[in-house]
Amino acid sequence: NAGVTQTPKFQVLKTGQSMTLQCAQDMNHEYMSWYRQDPGMGLRLIHYSVGAGITDQGEVPNGYNVSRSTTEDFPLRLLSAAPSQTSVYFCASSLNGEFQPQHFGDGTRLSIL
Amino acid sequence: GQNIDQPTEMTATEGAIVQINCTYQTSGFNGLFWYQQHAGEAPTFLSYNVLDGLEEKGRFSSFLSRSKGYSYLLLKELQMKDSASYLCVVMDSNYQLIWGAGTKLIIKP
Repeated sequence: NAGVTQTPKFQVLKTGQSMTLQCAQDMNHEYMSWYRQDPGMGLRLIHYSVGAGITDQGEVPNGYNVSRSTTEDFPLRLLSAAPSQTSVYFCASSLNGEFQPQHFGDGTRLSIL
Repeated sequence: GQNIDQPTEMTATEGAIVQINCTYQTSGFNGLFWYQQHAGEAPTFLSYNVLDGLEEKGRFSSFLSRSKGYSYLLLKELQMKDSASYLCVVMDSNYQLIWGAGTKLIIKP
């Protein structure tokens, strides 16, 4: 009963490096999204997808790319890491959109030096 | 702008009752969620309100007043495991989720 699986759980990068955060769900959910969570702030939406082949920008998309080639997978790519991207990243999925409760992965704690 | 206000931190005693308030100013309204988030973990869904009134689910209840832009989460018979942050989330008219910063609830024995 995996739910939403995120890897890695922790990562340290140097400024300018690129990397991909992986997210997979096994619940056949159409809607998937990426958030970042910073101290003292609410979760902020980075990118989201309403189904395979469809992605759209959220509130804070700059510096990040996503793709959705399958229903199960929704990777988040950091193109050129910056210290401002130090955060906790959560992937979430729901059956068919915002009205449904979001199921979250365990998060990726990312530090950019 | 869109805004959600909830207290930063609250303290309560094991076995007692606590009410966590949330006020919101958003572009339209399509529902309000409450999530629980234990330290270092992911948020988990607690409740969803779209109509005015009280929704009860075990020890947790959630209330909504759309005319006042107000909701509260009521936790009864507090247990130590209820120590967590509670996140108020509003869906606006564009079906975007607006997340509050959360209320950290500390339970003391």
